[in-house]
Amino acid sequence: QKEVEQNSGPLSVPEGAIASLNCTYSDRGSQSFFWYRQYSGKSPELIMFIYSNGDKEDGRFTAQLNKASQYVSLLIRDSQPSDSATYLCAVWNTGFQKLVFGTGTRLLVSP
Amino acid sequence: EADIYQTPRYLVIGTGKKITLECSQTMGHDKMYWYQQDPGMELHLIHYSYGVNSTEKGDLSSESTVSRIRTEHFPLTLESARPSHTSQYLCASGTGPYNQPQHFGDGTRLSIL
Repeated sequence: QKEVEQNSGPLSVPEGAIASLNCTYSDRGSQSFFWYRQYSGKSPELIMFIYSNGDKEDGRFTAQLNKASQYVSLLIRDSQPSDSATYLCAVWNTGFQKLVFGTGTRLLVSP
Repeated sequence: EADIYQTPRYLVIGTGKKITLECSQTMGHDKMYWYQQDPGMELHLIHYSYGVNSTEKGDLSSESTVSRIRTEHFPLTLESARPSHTSQYLCASGTGPYNQPQHFGDGTRLSIL
């Protein structure tokens, strides 16, 4: 089992829809969770981070964390074609004291 | 916003050459990282440092070496480049405890002929 798992996609949604990206993790002691966006050929860009159970909203983005079920998700409301990218979930591994990245989910938003 | 700079952005060079990829950050971050990423593939941590004179190998075995003589500077060196080293190399920095994110530079795309 990988430490951080994401569906590779692609996840295809029409413009204006809600895109839901999911991530599960194996380290129960994890306390910090991050979402990065990576356009093709570019470096990852931090979108959001969340530490506590529940929802955290920032503009069109909402991060959701459920530590009991060990999953974290990212919702993108009113999806735009410019949101088309790979979204990386990252979890701080308390045992190894390092950030562990998932393989990413590719999102395609069609006009 | 973190300021982290990588040079060169692109490098095409022949086999056997010694290469140094530069990474500098102006935020005073104590933690710095090097990742390797092939197109469409996942990030692999190859080296990290938690401060001056501290370096550790990451998850992916790499023939590269790093040094951390100054807080702001974390260069990566390949003593003798091979075609298998062709990849994108991403530098990142961060600070504080576990709850602080890493910020990435723009990357160096390396091609070994």
